[in-house]
Formats: sequence, C-alpha cells, structure tokens
Amino acid sequence: DTGVSQNPRHKITKRGQNVTFRCDPISEHNRLYWYRQTLGQGPEFLTYFQNEAQLEKSRLLSDRFSAERPKGSFSTLEIQRTEQGDSAMYLCASSLDSEAFFGQGTRLTVV
Amino acid sequence: GENVEQHPSTLSVQEGDSAVIKCTYSDSASNYFPWYKQELGKGPQLIIDIRSNVGEKKDQRIAVTLNKTAKHFSLHITETQPEDSAVYFCAASTYGNNRLAFGKGNQVVVIP
Repeated sequence: DTGVSQNPRHKITKRGQNVTFRCDPISEHNRLYWYRQTLGQGPEFLTYFQNEAQLEKSRLLSDRFSAERPKGSFSTLEIQRTEQGDSAMYLCASSLDSEAFFGQGTRLTVV
Repeated sequence: GENVEQHPSTLSVQEGDSAVIKCTYSDSASNYFPWYKQELGKGPQLIIDIRSNVGEKKDQRIAVTLNKTAKHFSLHITETQPEDSAVYFCAASTYGNNRLAFGKGNQVVVIP
C-alpha cells in the first residue's frame, strides 16, 4: 500500500493523559499536513510541513499540541493533557504540489 | 480567511439520475478547488479538482464547473450508482498555499 498511513486508527484515552499519533506520508511527497475533523464538519487545517520544516500552524493548534517531522519523512502529532474537546478524527495528508492525499485518520476519544 | 459553503446538506437521488452539489467561496484569491469523497470511517478521497484557469473538468461520470465571477463551483455526478453514496466535501485554497478550507460536506444518498 503506497498511500498515506496513520497509526493508530483508534485511540481512547482518559482526560489529562498525553497521546501521540503517527503519520507516514506517500514516500516521494515533501509536504505533509495535519487536519482535525469533528462529526458533521469538514476537516480543519492544523499544521503544515515542507520536508522537516513546520511552515504554518493554525490558531486551532493550542500549546498543548505539538507536531514534528524530524527527518522529513514520517510525522507525529502529540496532544498533552487531553481534554474532552480534543475528541475528533485527526487526519494526515501529503502532497507534491496542491493535490493532497489523506490517510484513514486516527479517531481520538477522550473519556 | 477563506470561507467555503456547501448546498444542499443532504441530497437523495434515484440510481441512474444525476446529482449536483454546489459550493461558494469567499476569497477571490483562491484558485484551486478540489472535491473529496468520504465514506464512513475512512479518510477523504480526492476525486477531482479544478484550477481557476479552467472553467470545467470531466473525469468519466464526474465533472466540476467553476464560475470565478460568482465565486462558486459545482460537482456533477451522472448515472449515479449506489457506491456513489458518501459525504462529499468541496475545498478551496490558493495554489501553493497548502491550507485547504473545507465546506461542511454534503451527504449524497443514491436510492437503488
């Protein structure tokens, strides 16, 4: 499978715990994005990497959120001190230019 | 920032009929407009896109039209099939901007 891969697919965590998600983009894609999607809504942009550089962050990305792409390949998104409002689908996408291809997402439930 | 709206929110069509979903955008600088199909429990799948230097683009049973003056674009699905049932999202960005602004989505139900 040469598509965007996200792990885990589902994560249930208790409020206050930290969680980390991983995204493996399509191998030749230098651009990587994180989006968040809540029920009945479209994806909302969180952050963007070109290679290893994080070039843009949304106001939605509070200081409890941090994303990295250390070698310009896979990326991780960490949420510290999770809150119930963090419950959502976290989507990763990658691209070479404007055509962005999404992974299957990680569904986070904070209880 | 860019604001994208979709209409209608839910669309039911008989199998074999056509479905049309319309989107409007607010930022006249936007020049890239993709459409995504999302099935339950899956990520969005890019199905077609259009750039602002083109008025229409077709790919088999799907087509997208763009009216830059009115700032709206539409997805047309002809000869609908049950497997077309899904949520469809339109989006807009400035080419090379990398930040896609999505609409809220349209639930399309194809009735066999």
